[in-house]
Amino acid sequence: KQEVTQIPAALSVPEGENLVLNCSFTDSAIYNLQWFRQDPGKGLTSLLLIQSSQREQTSGRLNASLDKSSGRSTLYIAASQPGDSATYLCAVDTGNQFYFGTGTSLTVIP
Amino acid sequence: GAVVSQHPSWVICKSGTSVKIECRSLDFQATTMFWYRQFPKQSLMLMATSNEGSKATYEQGVEKDKFLINHASLTLSTLTVTSAHPEDSSFYICSAEGTSGSYEQYFGPGTRLTVT
Repeated sequence: KQEVTQIPAALSVPEGENLVLNCSFTDSAIYNLQWFRQDPGKGLTSLLLIQSSQREQTSGRLNASLDKSSGRSTLYIAASQPGDSATYLCAVDTGNQFYFGTGTSLTVIP
Repeated sequence: GAVVSQHPSWVICKSGTSVKIECRSLDFQATTMFWYRQFPKQSLMLMATSNEGSKATYEQGVEKDKFLINHASLTLSTLTVTSAHPEDSSFYICSAEGTSGSYEQYFGPGTRLTVT
């Protein structure tokens, strides 16, 4: 069974810092991996989608990489801002089911 | 741990018919449930936010008259796809937010809908 883990569980950084969130999964047979942002009481917002054949995707200050063979993905956030404070989730799509990570709670301190 | 179930896990229906998908929180009460869908090779996208006892809030571009959401109890929300068309074929997934105040969401296994 696929297991998705995110490290760290919580992260607090000063504004302006670059940071990396990690996601690992146990089964490399995936269709794609997605990164989401969750604000308190809100639904998930899709940030980046990486297909299994891709290595990375970029959107603005966000860059996500995927290494299927090692079962890892990273989300890089450049020049962090207080508005980036949220919980970040990664999810693996196996084609039949989504497996969500445990999330990283990010706080960016002004 | 918190468990969310969805029924059915997959369904095939004919164009023009309606399909109901259930989302249940099995061991906790969920004031808020979320419905998402994913088209092939696209991101999982939020469709609507469902609060128990009140009308759902739909995201822009989602037709509320086509995707009827009912959240009649703290453990059950239903999504009915009315007059389904082949373009509604998608993967639908729900999540439930616990009442502990942590805002953590627990996800169902999803329902794959195919409209022929």
